[in-house]
Amino acid sequence: GENVEQHPSTLSVQEGDSAVIKCTYSDSASNYFPWYKQELGKRPQLIIDIRSNVGEKKDQRIAVTLNKTAKHFSLHITETQPEDSAVYFCAASIGGSGNTPLVFGKGTRLSVIA
Amino acid sequence: NAGVTQTPKFQVLKTGQSMTLQCAQDMNHNSMYWYRQDPGMGLRLIYYSASEGTTDKGEVPNGYNVSRLNKREFSLRLESAAPSQTSVYFCASSERDRSTDTQYFGPGTRLTVL
Repeated sequence: GENVEQHPSTLSVQEGDSAVIKCTYSDSASNYFPWYKQELGKRPQLIIDIRSNVGEKKDQRIAVTLNKTAKHFSLHITETQPEDSAVYFCAASIGGSGNTPLVFGKGTRLSVIA
Repeated sequence: NAGVTQTPKFQVLKTGQSMTLQCAQDMNHNSMYWYRQDPGMGLRLIYYSASEGTTDKGEVPNGYNVSRLNKREFSLRLESAAPSQTSVYFCASSERDRSTDTQYFGPGTRLTVL
């Protein structure tokens, strides 16, 4: 089955700097890669996702890149702000009805220092 | 809309006791999921229900049972709780059983087994 590795497990950056979180996946058939943000004591919420037919997707300060050949994808946050402090989870799945749901990475705790 | 709701928010059990965690969604979603979240382990799928009337095992189903009571409700039962089941439990739902659909999470239930 699918296995998702996420690095680093913790990340501290100065406010205004960029943060990069990387994930690798094992199943070459995976074609959907979402990222979830979980603030302390709250529920996970989707922040961005990418499908395997594109290599990059941006939404304001957040971007995700995908390298299908190397089977890895990354989350990039630019101009970080204190409210970006949270745990971020990557996930991967084989899209389509009847397929196994998302497999999540173990998470990255991002701290943005003001 | 309340989205995905879970009860109770907190629960303390003694080893061997049983309990049922309740989950309901008002978004008319077809698919529902139960996850457990442990420190450093990310979100691990316990069971899921692709549609009303169906349930399937996830990554860590041992010690749990589920019931898809109707389209809105999906319950998780611990028949004989063990300390290893101390965790935060999240329910989630998605519109269809396609794994590329966004999953919406409930607020979680924090369970402690003594």
